[in-house]
Amino acid sequence: SYELTQPLSVSVALGQTARITCGGNNIGSKNVHWYQQKSGQAPVLVIYRDTIRPSGIPERFSGSNSGNTATLTISRAQAGDETDYYCQVWDSSTVLFGAGTKLTVL
Amino acid sequence: EVQLLESGGGLVQPGGSLRLSCAASGFTVSTYSMNWVRQAPGKGLEWVSYISSTGTTINYADSVRGRFTISRDSARNSLYLQMNSLRVGDTAVYFCTRVHSSSSLDCWGQGALVTVSS
Repeated sequence: SYELTQPLSVSVALGQTARITCGGNNIGSKNVHWYQQKSGQAPVLVIYRDTIRPSGIPERFSGSNSGNTATLTISRAQAGDETDYYCQVWDSSTVLFGAGTKLTVL
Repeated sequence: EVQLLESGGGLVQPGGSLRLSCAASGFTVSTYSMNWVRQAPGKGLEWVSYISSTGTTINYADSVRGRFTISRDSARNSLYLQMNSLRVGDTAVYFCTRVHSSSSLDCWGQGALVTVSS
């Protein structure tokens, strides 16, 4: 079965750029979606189809996907970005999530 | 405004049953594919079940297949998850989600807590 690999944690200095990766076999051939989840809240879609930002999501959030790695990039990281992020793909009418990455803003 | 609102969570003993409901507003449930996703305390997101917009395709995670049943009611514009033979490991917050045309999960409910404990 298909598997997604995310780093457990990523750290970034305030105002710098954070990159959260999502690895999978030839993931570049799939549509990757990214969710932000703050403590005690439902996840929020921040990037869909690899690179598209839903309305209301800051331009600081961007995505890319090629080969075996998809990446969520958060520019000019803010304290409010410190939370959990999940990548997601579909595999034969089932939903797969990465294990999640905890972003720490130093 | 598009919204999903879960209900029906609570405390149940192992082996017991519970039925979760998810009321939709701002859109018609029967025209979208829908999912249930759960999150155990302190853990990541785990997909549970899927129903296609036509209702002809239904899938379950291996961990719940044979015990959980997904369904929907067009008249009530609602999605359901019937959970039988519950186990301690089923303890989680359960979210209903809508599948957007992009295949992303673009709308999530606030979640319903299910606790399985003796």
